[in-house]
Amino acid sequence: EPEVTQTPSHQVTQMGQEVILRCVPISNHLYFYWYRQILGQKVEFLVSFYNNEISEKSEIFDDQFSVERPDGSNFTLKIRSTKLEDSAMYFCASSQGYNEKLFFGSGTQLSVL
Amino acid sequence: GDSVTQMEGPVTLSEEAFLTINCTYTATGYPSLFWYVQYPGEGLQLLLKATKADDKGSNKGFEATYRKETTSFHLEKGSVQVSDSAVYFCALRPFIQGAQKLVFGQGTRLTINP
Repeated sequence: EPEVTQTPSHQVTQMGQEVILRCVPISNHLYFYWYRQILGQKVEFLVSFYNNEISEKSEIFDDQFSVERPDGSNFTLKIRSTKLEDSAMYFCASSQGYNEKLFFGSGTQLSVL
Repeated sequence: GDSVTQMEGPVTLSEEAFLTINCTYTATGYPSLFWYVQYPGEGLQLLLKATKADDKGSNKGFEATYRKETTSFHLEKGSVQVSDSAVYFCALRPFIQGAQKLVFGQGTRLTINP
């Protein structure tokens, strides 16, 4: 079965640094998503992306966050100035349509020190 | 806003035991309901879904029935195997035209002992 791949699997950064999390969605999918899970808490929706623009976002997704599909295969999440509370597992997902099955990557564990 | 509550984990069972993982939700209208499973080292995978009241989703021996009257979507399996050890997430998609986000519960870690 096709897979969503995420890199790196673990990322450690210093507070205040910029970080970019990378994802390669499934090639014929049109919708792309980021979710995150802080340790011990629920998986939370961050943003969805379609047709090269954000189609839905949560309150968590403030000006410190941005997403981009730079080259037609990668989908990235940038955090401009990381905070301690950004430490979480970040999941990328993709789907063919907005109401279709989501395929998730295995996640990037971000640790902000 | 919409929310999902799952039974607290971790849950530990012996092989061939009966499994129930409770899930209740709060939402307006008729959300779509899902169970996702995450095996060690992998991403979340859709296990089953139901999109309207009284629908039963099923897959790999797991079942869940959409109960509007009790706002529940409990996951059941009659005889679990060691390979079912994973984290299980209940989720909903809000009843809004074009809604894309999923709202998840906190996940329940299941361990099956041989």
